Amino acid sequence: ILNVEQSPQSLHVQEGDSTNFTCSFPSSNFYALHWYRWETAKSPEALFVMTLNGDEKKKGRISATLNTKEGYSYLYIKGSQPEDSATYLCAFTRTYKYIFGTGTRLKVLA
Amino acid sequence: EPEVTQTPSHQVTQMGQEVILRCVPISNHLYFYWYRQILGQKVEFLVSFYNNEISEKSEIFDDQFSVERPDGSNFTLKIRSTKLEDSAMYFCASSESQVSNQPQHFGDGTRLSIL
Repeated sequence: ILNVEQSPQSLHVQEGDSTNFTCSFPSSNFYALHWYRWETAKSPEALFVMTLNGDEKKKGRISATLNTKEGYSYLYIKGSQPEDSATYLCAFTRTYKYIFGTGTRLKVLA
Repeated sequence: EPEVTQTPSHQVTQMGQEVILRCVPISNHLYFYWYRQILGQKVEFLVSFYNNEISEKSEIFDDQFSVERPDGSNFTLKIRSTKLEDSAMYFCASSESQVSNQPQHFGDGTRLSIL
């Protein structure tokens, strides 16, 4: 059974703080790792698709790194803002079927 | 920006009744998926669909479930005889291709409540 874990489960940070969280996935037969941002009552929004070991992707204040050999990805948010409050989901794929982590629920306090 | 749309946003159904959840995928996408999330649990894959056939299904997707693309735009999930444990958020997704580095685009979900 393929398992994807995310930590922490939830996180409160002050506005302006930088933060990061982790997604752990099986390191064998890796194909891709997807990060999504999911606000309550909305659809998950694709942030990054990461495929190569050592990949680093950036979108504004959010960036992500990938280590396929040890099976983890980090998501970083620099200078968190209240609008960054959301659940951040990672999904591991070997084919097209996503295997999701539990998500990290981020709350940024003004 | 094109979106995946799902209807209804909330469906309340008596146990044992049939329910159909509807999705309109992004128009040039060819691959379609259903996922569900039981409250407090992970989002789980149910089924993928391409060229009018199921490509893959999970062990959750038993004989009570079926999917259909009845016309050129809709993609539906039917649960024949609902059970209490079918209560969950159901998400539809679509993608242009099934290459694993292409993102799937999700709808807002349908909350299904079984009484």
